[in-house]
Amino acid sequence: EVHLVESGGGLVQPGGSLRLSCATSGFIFSDFDMNWVRQAPGKGLEWISSIGRDNSLAFYADSVRGRFSMSRDNAKSSVFLQMNNLRDEDTAVYYCARVGALDYWGQGTLVTVSS
Amino acid sequence: DIVMTQTPLSVSVTPGQPASISCKSSQSLLRRDGKTFLFWYLQKPGQSPQLLIYEVFNRFSGVPDRFSGSGSGTEFTLTISRVEAEDVGVYYCMQSIQLPRTFGQGTRLEIK
Repeated sequence: EVHLVESGGGLVQPGGSLRLSCATSGFIFSDFDMNWVRQAPGKGLEWISSIGRDNSLAFYADSVRGRFSMSRDNAKSSVFLQMNNLRDEDTAVYYCARVGALDYWGQGTLVTVSS
Repeated sequence: DIVMTQTPLSVSVTPGQPASISCKSSQSLLRRDGKTFLFWYLQKPGQSPQLLIYEVFNRFSGVPDRFSGSGSGTEFTLTISRVEAEDVGVYYCMQSIQLPRTFGQGTRLEIK
């Protein structure tokens, strides 16, 4: 059974940093692209980043490019999102999701940016 | 960026009755190989989104056959043939033909 479990969220001040993790199981991790999608409180879904199977190329939404960095460790079946220079508007639940179809999602981890 | 527009933004349905949600994209979602990259998700209250339909009309594993998808090019529809209480939540369409992947605003389905 496919499982994705996010961690690393929390309260951070504007300008601060956080590193989110997404641990996966139940599938051959290195065969799949991965994504991060976020949802601000009471709002819709926003795709923010994708990474290819071999960790060679990552893509970002304009809203986070230059501040966020996505990576993966195929040996640990995990993806990561390094978030720097956080802003109030980055407050959201962050989900990892598998492949372009976003066929499986984790439960999400809440990031709150506030002073 | 491709803009995804859903209508209606909310719908209230009597159990056993049908429901339809429309999604329109600002550009064609048809790729040269014939695949169309339109997906439907349901986010139940307090839960993560779950994939219902991929590439316009294919039901994902475990999705009841009362859910169906149709459409082509830039206009798509999600239909629930007979709404059940467990179908409440927010429905989103999404395109993945190009980055950034973009979602519709969401359609909230409630039970009368």
